[in-house]
Parts: sequence; C-alpha cells; structure tokens
Amino acid sequence: SQQGEEDPQALSIQEGENATMNCSYKTSINNLQWYRQNSGRGLVHLILIRSNEREKHSGRLRVTLDTSKKSSSLLITASRAADTASYFCATARYGGATNKLIFGTGTLLAVQP
Amino acid sequence: EADIYQTPRYLVIGTGKKITLECSQTMGHDKMYWYQQDPGMELHLIHYSYGVNSTEKGDLSSESTVSRIRTEHFPLTLESARPSHTSQYLCASTINEKLFFGSGTQLSVL
Repeated sequence: SQQGEEDPQALSIQEGENATMNCSYKTSINNLQWYRQNSGRGLVHLILIRSNEREKHSGRLRVTLDTSKKSSSLLITASRAADTASYFCATARYGGATNKLIFGTGTLLAVQP
Repeated sequence: EADIYQTPRYLVIGTGKKITLECSQTMGHDKMYWYQQDPGMELHLIHYSYGVNSTEKGDLSSESTVSRIRTEHFPLTLESARPSHTSQYLCASTINEKLFFGSGTQLSVL
C-alpha cells in the first residue's frame, strides 16, 4: 500500500488565489519532499523538509510538517496559470538502509487564467 | 534542467516483442531508479541501483530486468512485452536525497 495519500485529488482555482495541498503518510520518516509533474513529463523536485523541521519556504512555496499527525501541507501563494500541474509528496523512511522515496497519489492543480 | 535522458520518448509495439528503455545521466550519480506510473496515479518503484553491478527489485513486482554496467547507464528490458506493460516508465538518479527525473518513456503494447 502506498505510503502517502494526498488531498484533494484535484483542485481548480483562479489565478492569484492560494492553493493548499495536503499529504498524509503512515510510517516514521527521515524527510518529506514535494515534486511537481507537468502532464506526460518527469517530476521536478520542489522542496525538502526534514523530520525535525516544522516549516520551510521557497519562493511562493510554503511547506509544513506535523510528525505527530504524520501529515504535511504545500501552500502555493499567488498562483499562476503556469503552476498547473500534478503535485506529489514523497517520503524517505526513517532508519532505512536504502535510499528509496515512496510517492503519494498526487494532487492535480488547475489554475484558471 | 537535470542531465538525465530517457529514450525513446514514446514507444508503440506489438505483443511479444523484446524492448529496452534507455536511461543515461551525466551527473555521476551512483543511485539510479526506475518508477512505473499509470495515468493520474502514483509512482511505483520497480528497480533501483546503488552503483555499478548493483541492482535490486523495488516495491512493485515487475517482469522487467535492469543492468548497471556503467555508472551513467541504467537500461530497463522487457523480454516479451504484453498489453499489461502499457504504462509510463520514469528513470531517476540522485547523489543525496533529491531525485532528478528524466522525461519518461510512454510505452504502449498492442
């Protein structure tokens, strides 16, 4: 079963609005990452937050992590049409000998111009 | 842009054919991965490698095989393709914790 589940599955907003996506996971993690995927393309790394961090910023992106609830959220502020893509969270398991990322189910974001 | 390349970009073949999906990276990364992704779904890890001559199966069982003879090259082979293999195959590499992905190969088996 997948490690991460994302909510909502799909989100449609107007340009200029903020978009919030949530990710829940099951096991203890070392870090959590967010990736973006344009339709039919590979994924692009956006931001990484470690298990001992609670919040991180990168440009218009803000990520929070609550390890007690095993959840994370990605906020995109002042969205643009170019932000239209699928967004995935991915977790690196704590204590694992391997360096494998487990991906969530993704949120499809559509930003209307 | 990450320096990781996948070819072909699209492949449509008949059942029973042998195929090889190519993945190369010029970043000198030791760790490489193959993920399988169906439309609108999550990525599933099918193979990974920690370096030359190292290959391991991922979390999702796959009939494909991989090899790692050179650091920069991590090809995936299907000996006899079937319609159930139709999917997008994504190659990735890393030297730390962040994955760099290729553009993917969209495979359709008729």
